[in-house]
Amino acid sequence: DGGITQSPKYLFRKEGQNVTLSCEQNLNHDAMYWYRQDPGQGLRLIYYSQIVNDFQKGDIAEGYSVSREKKESFPLTVTSAQKNPTAFYLCASSILANTEAFFGQGTRLTVV
Amino acid sequence: AQSVAQPEDQVNVAEGNPLTVKCTYSVSGNPYLFWYVQYPNRGLQFLLKYITGDNLVKGSYGFEAEFNKSQTSFHLKKPSALVSDSALYFCAVRDKGTSGTYKYIFGTGTRLKVLA
Repeated sequence: DGGITQSPKYLFRKEGQNVTLSCEQNLNHDAMYWYRQDPGQGLRLIYYSQIVNDFQKGDIAEGYSVSREKKESFPLTVTSAQKNPTAFYLCASSILANTEAFFGQGTRLTVV
Repeated sequence: AQSVAQPEDQVNVAEGNPLTVKCTYSVSGNPYLFWYVQYPNRGLQFLLKYITGDNLVKGSYGFEAEFNKSQTSFHLKKPSALVSDSALYFCAVRDKGTSGTYKYIFGTGTRLKVLA
């Protein structure tokens, strides 16, 4: 089955800890994206990557980091510098042409 | 930079009635517009897109959208709403960022509630 897999589905983090959210796709898509969703604010772009070993900051990159060592994988690290990390995180991918993005099922991160 | 606006936080409609979820856009050049649906605690599912061509775009689950260049709108429509259509709907535009890269900009979402 082709698709985008995000893991874990639920994640709990203690204050001051770094956590990494996984995103893997087997669609052979070039571009990958991370969004954060908060109630009433829609989706806000954290980071995106068009090719391996290259990525760009989105609108709310502070406190987050990413890597793109393989085409299939785009992990997101939520660092201790992110002051309000509790949110629903969505990963997406697309081919570079004029097409839609495909989304994973999301990871809900809660700070405890 | 490109942007989209969804002026309604929530839309209520009776089952069997037509529904409209509004979206307006602000872009330079030709817009690439999308509609997505999200069910609780799930990712977004693609419904339809406008790239070029006919102003009336047909998509999944009986949804369609009308692109109106003069009004800079891309409203989502369905002739007869179902209770199962109740969900959160997002309008999006593709934006060309720095270094020739592309990203998707989303609206704030509209919650559709279909009443039985």
